Amino acid sequence: DAKTTQPPSMDCAEGRAANLPCNHSTISGNEYVYWYRQIHSQGPQYIIHGLKNNETNEMASLIITEDRKSSTLILPHATLRDTAVYYCIVSVSGTASKLTFGTGTRLQVTL
Amino acid sequence: SQTIHQWPATLVQPVGSPLSLECTVEGTSNPNLYWYRQAAGRGLQLLFYSVGIGQISSEVPQNLSASRPQDRQFILSSKKLLLSDSGFYLCAWSATGLAGLLHEQFFGPGTRLTVL
Repeated sequence: DAKTTQPPSMDCAEGRAANLPCNHSTISGNEYVYWYRQIHSQGPQYIIHGLKNNETNEMASLIITEDRKSSTLILPHATLRDTAVYYCIVSVSGTASKLTFGTGTRLQVTL
Repeated sequence: SQTIHQWPATLVQPVGSPLSLECTVEGTSNPNLYWYRQAAGRGLQLLFYSVGIGQISSEVPQNLSASRPQDRQFILSSKKLLLSDSGFYLCAWSATGLAGLLHEQFFGPGTRLTVL
């Protein structure tokens, strides 16, 4: 699987949009971009995934650049409950999607 | 709805003792199952995954083994624990086939293991 690069930490004011970047310059054509988050002492939670097009669901939006070498996860209105470590992962979807988690970005949402 | 259970939630074991962690999934059939470990301050590392009963793939050489005796049961074991086996162990499942959930892995609550 391709490696990803994320900033180790970010801060965001409550109610503002949180934009979390991820670089995946060696991504292959059949690899998806996945985002998970992990709130302290819990298991990771799936947020969103995409291949080429931008995606949106009830939790977040995913913006993937045209060359697919980077992406941004957007939490449109961050709340204190969004404080967590966010992982950007690239992986081929198959019979068993093996995810390789890096160290992620620690997002701190403040009042 | 599907649920995933892990137990125990916390465990303190002496070096050299055996280990057995259990994970069960409810509400789905023939899931893919995974064991991850997260050492303190580190990212998650995939240890094992299974696509069916008795089918285990190991991702890293280590002191641990996994078994899948039933469709929705996944067990992580060790004959003799090492200090380096301490960590947060997470079980996860994902759907198989062409279901819309194929992309998502669902994680259990985890077991925090301390080896002394």
